[in-house]
Amino acid sequence: KNQVEQSPQSLIILEGKNCTLQCNYTVSPFSNLRWYKQDTGRGPVSLTIMTFSENTKSNGRYTATLDADTKQSSLHITASQLSDSASYICVVSEDRGTYKYIFGTGTRLKVLA
Amino acid sequence: KAGVTQTPRYLIKTRGQQVTLSCSPISGHRSVSWYQQTPGQGLQFLFEYFSETQRNKGNFPGRFSGRQFSNSRSEMNVSTLELGDSALYLCASSFGGAPYEQYFGPGTRLTVT
Repeated sequence: KNQVEQSPQSLIILEGKNCTLQCNYTVSPFSNLRWYKQDTGRGPVSLTIMTFSENTKSNGRYTATLDADTKQSSLHITASQLSDSASYICVVSEDRGTYKYIFGTGTRLKVLA
Repeated sequence: KAGVTQTPRYLIKTRGQQVTLSCSPISGHRSVSWYQQTPGQGLQFLFEYFSETQRNKGNFPGRFSGRQFSNSRSEMNVSTLELGDSALYLCASSFGGAPYEQYFGPGTRLTVT
């Protein structure tokens, strides 16, 4: 069964610190992997998208990595800010002729002053 | 460029009733996907429409249905509402579905009492 698992479920860090969120998937055949940020009560917003051949993608203070061999991805947040408090969702696209999105349950990040 | 809009933003219905939610995609986008988000299950894919045709479908009962109009606007209908249908319903639009970038709307918060 295609699955996307994220860890930790929740995380609390102090402003200015770095953190890393994990995403492991069993989706096959793989098309691409996305990281989304979702503020409470809002729709998700895309941070990065990576295909099979890409192993690093940055978007400001957000850096995503992908290891397609081990089927693992991470999202690293540098110098966290209060506005980084949100849920971060990993989404993997399955390619079976028609595409499907498989979502992780997310990591809820809280940044404290 | 206007984003994805969803109406209504909030809705309260009674068990057994039916509900219709609306989604207007970004201009030029032909794909609209619908998702259900609950605290316990995270984001779950309902279905995707492309050029008025349902292209992909998730694992939801037949009470959940949708359609897309020639202007790409989409509606989702839930009949015979159950308490468990209480959720945030999100729609996302893109040029062509996965692997294209998806842009999410703010969601419709449905509460079933």
